[in-house]
Amino acid sequence: ILNVEQSPQSLHVQEGDSTNFTCSFPSSNFYALHWYRWETAKSPEALFVMTLNGDEKKKGRISATLNTKEGYSYLYIKGSQPEDSATYLCAFMGNDYKLSFGAGTTVTVRA
Amino acid sequence: ETGVTQTPRHLVMGMTNKKSLKCEQHLGHNAMYWYKQSAKKPLELMFVYNFKEQTENNSVPSRFSPECPNSSHLFLHLHTLQPEDSALYLCASSQERRETQYFGPGTRLLVL
Repeated sequence: ILNVEQSPQSLHVQEGDSTNFTCSFPSSNFYALHWYRWETAKSPEALFVMTLNGDEKKKGRISATLNTKEGYSYLYIKGSQPEDSATYLCAFMGNDYKLSFGAGTTVTVRA
Repeated sequence: ETGVTQTPRHLVMGMTNKKSLKCEQHLGHNAMYWYKQSAKKPLELMFVYNFKEQTENNSVPSRFSPECPNSSHLFLHLHTLQPEDSALYLCASSQERRETQYFGPGTRLLVL
């Protein structure tokens, strides 16, 4: 069982504020790091797939960075909006192409 | 719309029942997956099918039996489940094993 840790488990953000949270994963046998956004009662939605050390990806106000050597990724939300409220999952994909998920960071944006 | 649908969305069953979960993907993908999410635990891979062949069984008890009749459909047959099997069961698909997986909304299962 691979150890994929996300912190914090939950956070509350005021609308308009920016925030970030962490995913840590094994630094060996790395193939890719996936980020998903999961709203209650909906399907998890793929945000980013990151493969190269130093990768930075951006989608609107959400961005992510990757450090494969030390085994961590940050996800940033700039100018949080209520619609950003969701659970954000990271998943480590090893060379066997299996996804190992973290428990998620639940973001609540207060208006 | 993710292109991956699951039915039913909610299911209550007794321990002696037999039921099936259905997943259908409209994305033309070659790989399909079953995941389980128990309360307060991460998503856990159960089975992988690649080109209709099962390639992974993640030590899942035999009371869970997957079936992949074609590349668009995936079933999970349930038989004599236990209350601890109550969970959210998610299906996903991807073009190839190493590519992004697209998820359905899940079936919330309660075993009484």
